Amino acid sequence: QSALTQPRSVSGSPGQSVTISCTGTSSDVGGYNYVSWYQQHPGKVPKLMIYDVTKRPSGVPDRFSGSKSGNTASLTISGLQAEDEADYYCCSYAGAYTLGPFGGGTKLTVL
Amino acid sequence: EVQLVQSGAALKQPGESLTISCKASGYTFTRYWIGWVRQMPGKGLEWMGVTNPSDSDTRYSPSFQGQVSISADRSISTAYLHWSSLKASDTAMYYCARPGDQWLPYYWGQGSLITVSS
Repeated sequence: QSALTQPRSVSGSPGQSVTISCTGTSSDVGGYNYVSWYQQHPGKVPKLMIYDVTKRPSGVPDRFSGSKSGNTASLTISGLQAEDEADYYCCSYAGAYTLGPFGGGTKLTVL
Repeated sequence: EVQLVQSGAALKQPGESLTISCKASGYTFTRYWIGWVRQMPGKGLEWMGVTNPSDSDTRYSPSFQGQVSISADRSISTAYLHWSSLKASDTAMYYCARPGDQWLPYYWGQGSLITVSS
């Protein structure tokens, strides 16, 4: 299972919006509505931010939103804040009894 | 509240064996698969494999098949990751992860740092 493709880095100024893409294939991202996004600060445990493409776990600010078009899923962070600076990873379902691939990760820098 | 509490950091020599653990609480342990995610220094996340505590069915990512062994003891709600012969390249942070029904990690343990060095 090949890793999903994410940009290595994105950046934005406080208050702006940024979007991180996650491109897979019709066998994973494009085939199912099950994509998750994780935020990881340096030295910390990954935190689930989005699941099932668009759903937010309790406690995740609504500044974080997810979407999908074809084989590409996206995470959008609006109203950027300094604490959003972190690495972000996507992961997709890839079928029954198959461990879905992660993306390679995107480093978000808040300027 | 779902909690996954992992065993601590370990410093091992190449060729040694090691088992790390992950104790789950806050949900019915046999209801969900549970597994392990590797993060090598400065690198991304990789699913290693998952096990079904109800029947011990275990699935591995191709890269990890034959390299590690994943198991669970439902009597004490604990999952395990075992190496029979560690290599320096096994140096990494290992996270226990409980997925939802689609095998995407939902809950995470705090991580166990494994360092393999002579």
